[in-house]
Amino acid sequence: DQQVKQNSPSLSVQEGRISILNCDYTNSMFDYFLWYKKYPAEGPTFLISISSIKDKNEDGRFTVFLNKSAKHLSLHIVPSQPGDSAVYFCAAKGLGTSYDKVIFGPGTSLSVIP
Amino acid sequence: DTAVSQTPKYLVTQMGNDKSIKCEQNLGHDTMYWYKQDSKKFLKIMFSYNNKELIINETVPNRFSPKSPDKAHLNLHINSLELGDSAVYFCATQKWGSQETQYFGPGTRLLVL
Repeated sequence: DQQVKQNSPSLSVQEGRISILNCDYTNSMFDYFLWYKKYPAEGPTFLISISSIKDKNEDGRFTVFLNKSAKHLSLHIVPSQPGDSAVYFCAAKGLGTSYDKVIFGPGTSLSVIP
Repeated sequence: DTAVSQTPKYLVTQMGNDKSIKCEQNLGHDTMYWYKQDSKKFLKIMFSYNNKELIINETVPNRFSPKSPDKAHLNLHINSLELGDSAVYFCATQKWGSQETQYFGPGTRLLVL
């Protein structure tokens, strides 16, 4: 039972354009959401997060939007750069699961074309 | 001085063997995790330890036994390896009770033949 879904396995974007990665979740008890970035042969690294009390969080070129009613969040990268090419994991945690248990989505592979 | 390190990086072994994967962190975090990334690329939590005590134990076969000799180490021992154990295993750490991110190791790629 996938509680965190990323329905696009891959995405290609031209350099300089906006990349939008989407994530849906089913568990309404999640109250904290994270995005991780993963390069090949490396572990995931934290990118940006958002609490359920907010609907937007911005950090440089990265912005995460949260729509609680739709149980949907998205990561916007603008402008996209070739170094952004990686797998992006959406993750969630909160009440209803053990406190520090994080549920990951399957990831979206982003390719930024120069 | 890598924050979270894992050894070995690659492990190829025969079915039925017993193997261990080691994880060490120098971040001073008190919570450590083991995750498994299977062929479908899902990252799933296996175990969580806080101050050397088991906190989370997902539905993982008894063949998998984590061991935390101290707060800086969390090792994973696997008995009687099966083909389905082939995956990438990630160790991660976090400061307990905070919303801070988890820090992941580089992963151990296990292939069972």
